[in-house]
Amino acid sequence: AQSVTQPDIHITVSEGASLELRCNYSYGATPYLFWYVQSPGQGLQLLLKYFSGDTLVQGIKGFEAEFKRSQSSFNLRKPSVHWSDAAEYFCAVVNSGTYKYIFGTGTRLKVLA
Amino acid sequence: DAGVIQSPRHEVTEMGQEVTLRCKPISGHDYLFWYRQTMMRGLELLIYFNNNVPIDDSGMPEDRFSAKMPNASFSTLKIQPSEPRDSAVYFCASRRQGRHEQFFGPGTRLTVL
Repeated sequence: AQSVTQPDIHITVSEGASLELRCNYSYGATPYLFWYVQSPGQGLQLLLKYFSGDTLVQGIKGFEAEFKRSQSSFNLRKPSVHWSDAAEYFCAVVNSGTYKYIFGTGTRLKVLA
Repeated sequence: DAGVIQSPRHEVTEMGQEVTLRCKPISGHDYLFWYRQTMMRGLELLIYFNNNVPIDDSGMPEDRFSAKMPNASFSTLKIQPSEPRDSAVYFCASRRQGRHEQFFGPGTRLTVL
């Protein structure tokens, strides 16, 4: 069955430190992968997406993610975190048959000043 | 371009009352999705439409929930009668035919007392 796992429920980093949020997927074919960010009281905003091609994708707000087929991973990274990055982050994969999203459970990021 | 618009942003009602949530998708988008987000269950897809036609309503929790899309620019999610366990944030999202990324509205926070 298709699934997305975000192993870390909460992550705390200091402002200016680097960040990596983990995402592992289970999917038979080439996946379409996404990262979304949800700030408190807000909807989900698309950070970046991977469909094919270059395995390192750049997104908004200085985020990037790397697709590693051998590890079934699509980890999100940022070299230097800002206090405004505190939010919840969701990884998702699209079911190519139904076009429905399969979401991970989310990782809540806390940024220390 | 305006994003997905949802109204109301907050709704507080009493058990047994009818609740109607509204969504205006991004102009030109052919797909519309309704999600529910709770702490316990995360993001759940309730139903989605393609060209105003309901395609998959397998996520609708029970007959108390109904959704309509009378035209390409408007959809409603109705709960009748509402129950306290329906308290959640309800999101609407839309996407364009041939594209996989979904764009989310700001959500409606529903509280049923």
